[in-house]
Amino acid sequence: DSGVTQTPKHLITATGQRVTLRCSPRSGDLSVYWYQQSLDQGLQFLIQYYNGEERAKGNILERFSAQQFPDLHSELNLSSLELGDSALYFCASSYSSYNSPLHFGNGTRLTVT
Amino acid sequence: AQRVTQPEKLLSVFKGAPVELKCNYSYSGSPELFWYVQYSRQRLQLLLRHISRESIKGFTADLNKGETSFHLKKPFAQEEDSAMYYCALSGGGNTGKLIFGQGTTLQVKP
Repeated sequence: DSGVTQTPKHLITATGQRVTLRCSPRSGDLSVYWYQQSLDQGLQFLIQYYNGEERAKGNILERFSAQQFPDLHSELNLSSLELGDSALYFCASSYSSYNSPLHFGNGTRLTVT
Repeated sequence: AQRVTQPEKLLSVFKGAPVELKCNYSYSGSPELFWYVQYSRQRLQLLLRHISRESIKGFTADLNKGETSFHLKKPFAQEEDSAMYYCALSGGGNTGKLIFGQGTTLQVKP
């Protein structure tokens, strides 16, 4: 168990809808990262937060947004969902904002129908 | 540009055979490299970190700056080693984001 908790485990929704994925980092970790894993694109970095502030942005669509709350949990919001958004979404956490190993959660499997 | 290349999508070996999973990187500074393992699309688990120079589950990896490689090796493969392996590069600067290669599926046959 990595200590990173992601909910829900599975999510099935229709195109055009909006969903929220939640992540609680390991105790003591200040940084949260979101990754998307799809069969054709591999693991794509979406966004990083450190202690509540955005630290780095990757290939995150404008339809997607994220935030990190004062208690350090993070939410990834996906809106106007398309079939191509179906993927595994992983959250990872680390102690510092850089040069620390990332510890991954079990992921949320999103299926858009 | 920072990039990680894992040239093999699938590597299939027999139990007891040596394994080498290739990883090449492109990075202008001093790289920090990792190997992660993923069993059956579960969470990614940290396998190795190059600065630790340790051996986990019999796997080792050496950073070769001249060849910009960080290949993962194991002298004798076990069936339980079957999984997806990802090589990753730390993005540098003030971010800890990891840039992942496309992954190599290791299949160890009995």
